[in-house]
Amino acid sequence: ETGVTQTPRHLVMGMTNKKSLKCEQHLGHNAMYWYKQSAKKPLELMFVYNFKEQTENNSVPSRFSPECPNSSHLFLHLHTLQPEDSALYLCASSQGEADSYEQYFGPGTRLTVT
Amino acid sequence: DQQVKQNSPSLSVQEGRISILNCDYTNSMFDYFLWYKKYPAEGPTFLISISSIKDKNEDGRFTVFLNKSAKHLSLHIVPSQPGDSAVYFCAASPPPGKLDMRFGAGTRLTVKP
Repeated sequence: ETGVTQTPRHLVMGMTNKKSLKCEQHLGHNAMYWYKQSAKKPLELMFVYNFKEQTENNSVPSRFSPECPNSSHLFLHLHTLQPEDSALYLCASSQGEADSYEQYFGPGTRLTVT
Repeated sequence: DQQVKQNSPSLSVQEGRISILNCDYTNSMFDYFLWYKKYPAEGPTFLISISSIKDKNEDGRFTVFLNKSAKHLSLHIVPSQPGDSAVYFCAASPPPGKLDMRFGAGTRLTVKP
């Protein structure tokens, strides 16, 4: 399998549930990202990991908890979410080098919080 | 604070004609600009980019123009094809060392046969 994969593709959860989103990249990249895409809004950067170290956290509520065990895997742990957290969650990766900008995206997880 | 703006949520053009998608940004520190294309049920895919030291970059049917003084960039697709129908995102990246790319809200392009 190549590129960036995300599981599950769709997730429906209640506000009291705990779930995790998984992302895996097969591109040999060093940087991985979580984005949130709500309807008709720009992609919102949530977290950035570069060489497994978290380098960005754009004021994301603590009910979202990222984990990056290695450069190929990225998780987003979810607990006590709110209905307004329903969105498409996209994972991306890039080389992470100073002169490389292009990010490669996974297909996303469509999350619905009920 | 929305630093990258795509003011046209949708655009419809006839097959064979030119499609022009526009993007404005506010942060003069942005160093590199990219366009991504997104089909339904897929993640965005990289299309074309331009460095801040250039004002034009061309790749086949796709050309990106950058006007730094106006903080404006545009994507031209000519000739447009029905397969180009998708959502196009403009993105801007800060200088090397920072990884927080900023995206616009996207423009949905429909190319009619």
